[in-house]
Amino acid sequence: EPEVTQTPSHQVTQMGQEVILRCVPISNHLYFYWYRQILGQKVEFLVSFYNNEISEKSEIFDDQFSVERPDGSNFTLKIRSTKLEDSAMYFCASRGPPGEKLFFGSGTQLSVL
Amino acid sequence: GENVEQHPSTLSVQEGDSAVIKCTYSDSASNYFPWYKQELGKGPQLIIDIRSNVGEKKDQRIAVTLNKTAKHFSLHITETQPEDSAVYFCAARMGKLIFGQGTELSVKP
Repeated sequence: EPEVTQTPSHQVTQMGQEVILRCVPISNHLYFYWYRQILGQKVEFLVSFYNNEISEKSEIFDDQFSVERPDGSNFTLKIRSTKLEDSAMYFCASRGPPGEKLFFGSGTQLSVL
Repeated sequence: GENVEQHPSTLSVQEGDSAVIKCTYSDSASNYFPWYKQELGKGPQLIIDIRSNVGEKKDQRIAVTLNKTAKHFSLHITETQPEDSAVYFCAARMGKLIFGQGTELSVKP
């Protein structure tokens, strides 16, 4: 069964450093998302991406965040200067037309020290 | 603003009993309501979903009901098994998916 793949599974970084979280969505999907989940809390929407541009973003997704689809398979989330409060599990998700079903990856646990 | 409320936050049942988790949503334009199961260290996995033109949907031991007028939807798990133990999230599509706070379900053998 096709799945969304995320790398790395764990990322430890120092405050102020840049991190790039990587995702390979399901191959025929066109809509891509990043969500995050702080330990013990709900899954929060960060950004949606379609047709090579951001279609919607949340208040969390400030100027420190960016997304990119550098080629036909990868979808990345970059945090330019990490803060302690960026520590969370980050999930990539994708869906394809015309369906609604959103499929999630296993997540990247980001720890900012 | 856009919001999904989920109750209870924790639920403990005996194996074989039923479990019910309830959610309410704020945006009456929402038209898609999935439920996800999240096991420890894993991403949310879609277990069942319902669209706004349907009142109930069932898949084996899992069923979801939707009351559009009241903006409520519920997950019903019958004949619970220990492997049903996980965190369950409801969600509603308001453009993007908005998640509830999650319910930690424990099924005791």
